[in-house]
Amino acid sequence: KNQVEQSPQSLIILEGKNCTLQCNYTVSPFSNLRWYKQDTGRGPVSLTIMTFSENTKSNGRYTATLDADTKQSSLHITASQLSDSASYICVVTDRGSTLGRLYFGRGTQLTVWP
Amino acid sequence: EADIYQTPRYLVIGTGKKITLECSQTMGHDKMYWYQQDPGMELHLIHYSYGVNSTEKGDLSSESTVSRIRTEHFPLTLESARPSHTSQYLCASSEPSYNEQFFGPGTRLTVL
Repeated sequence: KNQVEQSPQSLIILEGKNCTLQCNYTVSPFSNLRWYKQDTGRGPVSLTIMTFSENTKSNGRYTATLDADTKQSSLHITASQLSDSASYICVVTDRGSTLGRLYFGRGTQLTVWP
Repeated sequence: EADIYQTPRYLVIGTGKKITLECSQTMGHDKMYWYQQDPGMELHLIHYSYGVNSTEKGDLSSESTVSRIRTEHFPLTLESARPSHTSQYLCASSEPSYNEQFFGPGTRLTVL
């Protein structure tokens, strides 16, 4: 069964600190993995995308890693800001689907305190 | 500016009412999707469309229906709303080759 598991479920950090969010998946065949940021009451917005051959991708203070062998990904946030408070969702695309079927994790709810 | 829009953003209605959630995109995407999301839970695909006059049911069974008469428009209808339909509904569209889905802001539906 294709699944995406994220940890931790929630995380509280102080402004300026770094944090790392984890994602494990069993989706096969694998096409790509994205990290989305979803603000409360809003739709998800893509932060990074990685294909099978990529193991690191950065977008400003966000750095995602991918280990396709162990089927694990992480999202590292550097020098956190209050605006980083949101849910971070790991999403894996099934290569075998013409629809581009996405498998969503439940997200990690990040709260950044001043 | 290319974007994806959903209206209304919030809706509170009584049981038994018929409602239509609107979704429009200006990116010219053929593929469009409807997802349902409960608090703290993952998004579940309830409907999708490959293009005009194409609609399919998703992974999660839903009593809602959709239509795709125009490329840019993908409305979702509930004929008789119930409290169990209370949820957030997210619309998305994607480019044919890249598979990235762009999401609208969502409609938060509450059925009393």
